[in-house]
Amino acid sequence: AQSVTQLDSHVSVSEGTPVLLRCNYSSSYSPSLFWYVQHPNKGLQLLLKYTSAATLVKGINGFEAEFKKSETSFHLTKPSAHMSDAAEYFCVVFYNQGGKLIFGQGTELSVKP
Amino acid sequence: DVKVTQSSRYLVKRTGEKVFLECVQDMDHENMFWYRQDPGLGLRLIYFSYDVKMKEKGDIPEGYSVSREKKERFSLILESASTNQTSMYLCASSPSGGGRRETQYFGPGTRLLVL
Repeated sequence: AQSVTQLDSHVSVSEGTPVLLRCNYSSSYSPSLFWYVQHPNKGLQLLLKYTSAATLVKGINGFEAEFKKSETSFHLTKPSAHMSDAAEYFCVVFYNQGGKLIFGQGTELSVKP
Repeated sequence: DVKVTQSSRYLVKRTGEKVFLECVQDMDHENMFWYRQDPGLGLRLIYFSYDVKMKEKGDIPEGYSVSREKKERFSLILESASTNQTSMYLCASSPSGGGRRETQYFGPGTRLLVL
């Protein structure tokens, strides 16, 4: 079955330290993968998108993600967290088979001063 | 700047009421979507539309209907609201071509409470 798993429901980091939000998906030929961010009381905003070009994708606000086909992972990273990064993050996968777009459950990121 | 607006940020309704949630986009997008967002479940697709007067069921259409009379407007209707429809409702739009593969632009959401 097609699925997207965000391995942590909540991640807490200190300001200035690295961020790692993990996402695994069920194997698929040539998926499209996205990370969206949702700040409190706001809609989702695209952070970055992978569509079979370079495996390391750079997004807005210093975030990047690496597509690893062998591990079926698409983890989101940032070298240095900022207070404004506190939000909920969603990993999203588009599966060509069936044309389905599946959202992960979300990871809440807290940033401590 | 792209804009998706939703008619209400917060809504309180009683069980059995008919509820209308409105969404408007100003980007001339063909595709529009309605999702509900519940803690621990991510977003689940209720309905989507790829053209005026066209609609398709998503993963959880039961208890909902939609209307798209104009390209820019997509309405979600709860025919008879129930308490299990208490949720955050998000509208999104995307350009045509790649369908759901395309980047989606989201509205701020409507938090609906059904008593």
